[in-house]
Amino acid sequence: EDQVTQSPEALRLQEGESSSLNCSYTVSGLRGLFWYRQDPGKGPEFLFTLYSAGEEKEKERLKATLTKKESFLHITAPKPEDSATYLCAVQVRAHKLSFGAGTTVTVRA
Amino acid sequence: NAGVTQTPKFRVLKTGQSMTLLCAQDMNHEYMYWYRQDPGMGLRLIHYSVGEGTTAKGEVPDGYNVSRLKKQNFLLGLESAAPSQTSVYFCASRPFAGVDYEQYFGPGTRLTVT
Repeated sequence: EDQVTQSPEALRLQEGESSSLNCSYTVSGLRGLFWYRQDPGKGPEFLFTLYSAGEEKEKERLKATLTKKESFLHITAPKPEDSATYLCAVQVRAHKLSFGAGTTVTVRA
Repeated sequence: NAGVTQTPKFRVLKTGQSMTLLCAQDMNHEYMYWYRQDPGMGLRLIHYSVGEGTTAKGEVPDGYNVSRLKKQNFLLGLESAAPSQTSVYFCASRPFAGVDYEQYFGPGTRLTVT
């Protein structure tokens, strides 16, 4: 059975304090790994898709990396507006995304 | 474009009552999905549709039914609500099924069953 585990569950950061979120997965035949951002009371918003080990993608202060067993979302010099829950999901079949429970990031000014 | 919209935003039901959640998208996407999100758990797929008039079961389909009579709309029905169906429900759509295409999510419906 596909499993996606995100850690930590919650992360409190000071503004400017860089950190990383982890998404580890156990799946057969990864087609792609997605990162989403979810603000309170809203639906998930797409950030990145990673396809193969060694791949990296960046967007503003966020950088996502992928290995054969896990993905990291690095937040560099975060700002309060980066506060959100970050979800990762893996796709192994056309219509099946397996989501992790998410990491809630709080950035204090 | 409004993207993906969901109605209602909030609803409280009593056990045994029925209701329908409506999802609409204006992006002409073929594929649509219904998920539920519970505390401490990832989003779980309830049902999905690969086109007008077609639906399929997801990971947690029991107690739910769906219909896709028009391409832009995907309805989720609860025939006899149970407290275990208290959750936040999200609809999503995507243009194609390939991994190159992300899912676009609606704002969610918060349902409480007492």
